[in-house]
Amino acid sequence: DAGITQSPRHKVTETGTPVTLRCHQTENHRYMYWYRQDPGHGLRLIHYSYGVKDTDKGEVSDGYSVSRSKTEDFLLTLESATSSQTSVYFCAISESGLINEQFFGPGTRLTVL
Amino acid sequence: SQQGEEDPQALSIQEGENATMNCSYKTSINNLQWYRQNSGRGLVHLILIRSNEREKHSGRLRVTLDTSKKSSSLLITASRAADTASYFCATDRGGSYIPTFGRGTSLIVHP
Repeated sequence: DAGITQSPRHKVTETGTPVTLRCHQTENHRYMYWYRQDPGHGLRLIHYSYGVKDTDKGEVSDGYSVSRSKTEDFLLTLESATSSQTSVYFCAISESGLINEQFFGPGTRLTVL
Repeated sequence: SQQGEEDPQALSIQEGENATMNCSYKTSINNLQWYRQNSGRGLVHLILIRSNEREKHSGRLRVTLDTSKKSSSLLITASRAADTASYFCATDRGGSYIPTFGRGTSLIVHP
């Protein structure tokens, strides 16, 4: 398996609280992605990063922010969690934009009550 | 909106049979990829086919791409119970190499 971990793996939180999910890679890949997976929607891209401090929005970025201060870490923050953000969150990495085979982390199951 | 859509949504077969699932997309692409997801796990990359390729093989997997019809198919031959999983296609959108995923096909292989 590619060296990619996510923390925490499970989290239950209350509406309105901030939440940060962490993705850590040991592959030195340039690109990192955050997806959410919901029944009936497949995987939807939230944000991605193409280098340290270089990020861009995906199709469902509202309510989420990201940061990447080091190559190996990509953080996803829900500033004020809502029940609609209950989901399974996956981090992925790829070597480059052109060689875009992605390696996925194990996922974080987030429940917002 | 989804760039790629898999069909069928669900497929149930017996071990030893072949499984075929399809992916249709809307705009021109650079690459198309297929991934597998076992229950409760992350996605695993299976195969990538470039827009100038028509067919690719990897073990028991065969992928075809028809850019004129904007469609791809994934064939799993001699399926096994261990092939039970969801299968996703991922496409980029011409000018961007960022892959976007369909909703997936759920495959059940009965032993």
